[in-house]
Amino acid sequence: QVQLVQSGAEVKKPGASVKVSCKASGYTFTGYYIHWVRQAPGQGLEWMGWINPSSGDTNYAQNFQGRVTMTRDTSISTAYMELSRLRSDDSAVYYCARAGFFAATQEYWGQGTLVTVSS
Amino acid sequence: DIQMTQSPSSLSASVGDRVTITCRASQGISNSLAWYQQKAGKVPKILIYAASTLQSGVPSRFSGSGSGTDFTLTISSLQPEDVAIYYCQKYNSDLSATFGQGTRLEIK
Repeated sequence: QVQLVQSGAEVKKPGASVKVSCKASGYTFTGYYIHWVRQAPGQGLEWMGWINPSSGDTNYAQNFQGRVTMTRDTSISTAYMELSRLRSDDSAVYYCARAGFFAATQEYWGQGTLVTVSS
Repeated sequence: DIQMTQSPSSLSASVGDRVTITCRASQGISNSLAWYQQKAGKVPKILIYAASTLQSGVPSRFSGSGSGTDFTLTISSLQPEDVAIYYCQKYNSDLSATFGQGTRLEIK
């Protein structure tokens, strides 16, 4: 069965960076895009970008351009999302999600990683 | 940028009711729209893609329709387990995406 297991909660200071991992299993890692979506407390979903695990190509939402970097390590079927220059309003649950039949949609989701930015 | 506006922002209905949630795009997006359900404390779940195609395993009481700028998600007979927040999502040819602001559905 498809599983995405994310790294644990993080507490960071403003200005720092955070790197969240997403380990995939149960399917061919290089066969499906991985999207990243975040959700601030009590708020809606915000799409951040995707990575093609096969090629390493990425596409980031405009709101995150210059601050987000998505990478992958195919040898361990793991995708990463690094967000830099953290602000308090970056406090959120960050999800990785595997694409579905339509590469733009998200069919399987990780459990989420809570990132708290606080001085 | 194309904006997605959902309505209503919240809604309360009785078990067995027919429920409709609307999503409007500021410009035409053909049928490039998906619907997600997020129950309290859970990860989102995709219900519908390509505006009207039901994701495998999703109950048939859920349906989607629309094209261009106006889309609807319909629950034909509301069940207690349908309490959730529902999001529309438009997606683009470069696989980027934008979510609507969500509609909170409760049981009356």
